[in-house]
Amino acid sequence: KAGVTQTPRYLIKTRGQQVTLSCSPISGHRSVSWYQQTPGQGLQFLFEYFSETQRNKGNFPGRFSGRQFSNSRSEMNVSTLELGDSALYLCASSLGWGSGNTIYFGEGSWLTVV
Amino acid sequence: GESVGLHLPTLSVQEGDNSIINCAYSNSASDYFIWYKQESGKGPQFIIDIRSNMDKRQGQRVTVLLNKTVKHLSLQIAATQPGDSAVYFCAETPDMEYGNKLVFGAGTILRVKS
Repeated sequence: KAGVTQTPRYLIKTRGQQVTLSCSPISGHRSVSWYQQTPGQGLQFLFEYFSETQRNKGNFPGRFSGRQFSNSRSEMNVSTLELGDSALYLCASSLGWGSGNTIYFGEGSWLTVV
Repeated sequence: GESVGLHLPTLSVQEGDNSIINCAYSNSASDYFIWYKQESGKGPQFIIDIRSNMDKRQGQRVTVLLNKTVKHLSLQIAATQPGDSAVYFCAETPDMEYGNKLVFGAGTILRVKS
């Protein structure tokens, strides 16, 4: 059974550009969450989608957005990139929505903003 | 604000010894806790979880203990091996209202000496 798949794995962008990251959850999983990981802030929750609806959102500016498709695949977008957006972006999936669902992470997308 | 903190940033153990990684959480309403292992360049890997209605759960070579009275979580690794070297994170789900949102601790580096 394939795990959570994220693409691309590595990318370099210039300040002011925008980026789209993709995530395919484990087959059968309907909840997808996104996290940002940096050395200074650690792992921080961005948002969660379930059944194509955003269910939770973390404390990030509106430049960070996401969506989920009917096949549960998800994308996140960051517009007007800043140097501080350089981070590892992690996607996680779980079977359902609600506390107690085991949450599995992908390998992440490494974003460098120059 | 929400926080899950770790007492020790780095733990060094001899191969074959047992390791204990500690975590303090601040939200008494949290009802689900997970330990993750993250190796360099990879995403967090699920190790073991525990619900708030339990105080102990065992897996293969790992045990998680939960003390709700003092809001403390620990991960015990038996017969630590070089492959256990990684960063270990505890995470909590605040409560049902937050769905699958995880609040992560800062992480503990585990170094296994051969």
